Amino acid sequence: DVKVTQSSRYLVKRTGEKVFLECVQDMDHENMFWYRQDPGLGLRLIYFSYDVKMKEKGDIPEGYSVSREKKERFSLILESASTNQTSMYLCASASNPGDGEQYFGPGTRLTVT
Amino acid sequence: TQLLEQSPQFLSIQEGENLTVYCNSSSVFSSLQWYRQEPGEGPVLLVTVVTGGEVKKLKRLTFQFGDARKDSSLHITAAQPGDTGLYLCAGEDGYNKLIFGAGTRLAVHP
Repeated sequence: DVKVTQSSRYLVKRTGEKVFLECVQDMDHENMFWYRQDPGLGLRLIYFSYDVKMKEKGDIPEGYSVSREKKERFSLILESASTNQTSMYLCASASNPGDGEQYFGPGTRLTVT
Repeated sequence: TQLLEQSPQFLSIQEGENLTVYCNSSSVFSSLQWYRQEPGEGPVLLVTVVTGGEVKKLKRLTFQFGDARKDSSLHITAAQPGDTGLYLCAGEDGYNKLIFGAGTRLAVHP
């Protein structure tokens, strides 16, 4: 069974802290994605990766960075967390990004105080 | 910029009722996806529609892709409490990325 796991379901951090969100998939997918989900705005793409050590900016990359050292793991980094980064963060993977079939993790609800 | 607009934003109905939710765009998409997201979970893919005019059925759910491939609808027959969730449509933007609509939040009451 396909599985995408995220390191934390809930996280509370203070303004200015460095935050790491980790995502692991067991499907040997080359493509991985980080989204944030806010009420009324849907899912917005932060960063994505087509291969190990490769990354591309999505629609809202400001304030975020990513790391993909291994095929199965894709990390999202908030260098200095701010209150406007309070959100639900969703990781996804796909074998073929162009066909729309993405597999999502359960999400991490991050609160920055 | 490609946008997907979903309507209605919220829908609250009684068990057994029928409903339709819509996903509209001014842009043409090569395919559209429908996902359902339950509280506290990530979205799960329900269906992909590819051909203009295509109709797909998944038990009580019927999905239709518009002839011009700019819009889609999801019809649920005899809704059940288990259908409760956020329904999201998504389309590929031509650069191997998905664009998502804001979703329709459905609540089905027993």
